[in-house]
Amino acid sequence: GENVEQHPSTLSVQEGDSAVIKCTYSDSASNYFPWYKQELGKRPQLIIDIRSNVGEKKDQRIAVTLNKTAKHFSLHITETQPEDSAVYFCAASNSGGSNYKLTFGKGTLLTVNP
Amino acid sequence: KAGVTQTPRYLIKTRGQQVTLSCSPISGHRSVSWYQQTPGQGLQFLFEYFSETQRNKGNFPGRFSGRQFSNSRSEMNVSTLELGDSALYLCASSRTDPLNTEAFFGQGTRLTVV
Repeated sequence: GENVEQHPSTLSVQEGDSAVIKCTYSDSASNYFPWYKQELGKRPQLIIDIRSNVGEKKDQRIAVTLNKTAKHFSLHITETQPEDSAVYFCAASNSGGSNYKLTFGKGTLLTVNP
Repeated sequence: KAGVTQTPRYLIKTRGQQVTLSCSPISGHRSVSWYQQTPGQGLQFLFEYFSETQRNKGNFPGRFSGRQFSNSRSEMNVSTLELGDSALYLCASSRTDPLNTEAFFGQGTRLTVV
């Protein structure tokens, strides 16, 4: 089955700096890669996703890159703000066919210091 | 429209008991997945239901089971509870369009086994 590794497990940055979180996956059939943000005591919420036919996607201060050959994808947050502090999860799935199972990385606790 | 609703929000059970958790998906979403979230293991996939059928199952013992009703609402049951079953149980609903597979999470049910 799919295995997703996520690094680092904790990341502390100064406000205004950039943050990068990296994930690798094992199943070459995976074609959908979402990123979720989970604030303390709240539900995970999708912040950005990318499909395997795209190499990069941006949404304001966040971007995701995908390297299918190397089977890794990364989340980039620029100009970080204290409200970006949360746990971030990457995930992978084969969204085609009948498989809607998301395999998650173990999460990255991002702390943005004012 | 209403989001994913999980009930109850909190539960305290004794070892050996059984428990049933409920999840009402977003209207129109026919796929419901369940995840166990623990501090050490992150989000782990339990199972996924679509049209009252279990399509995918994670690596959990048979004590964990679920079902889905004709209105897409889903329940999961854990029998013979163990201390290690203490966790946040999250359900997520999604559409079944392969190009629109965002999973929307509920607030979760916090289960404590004593």
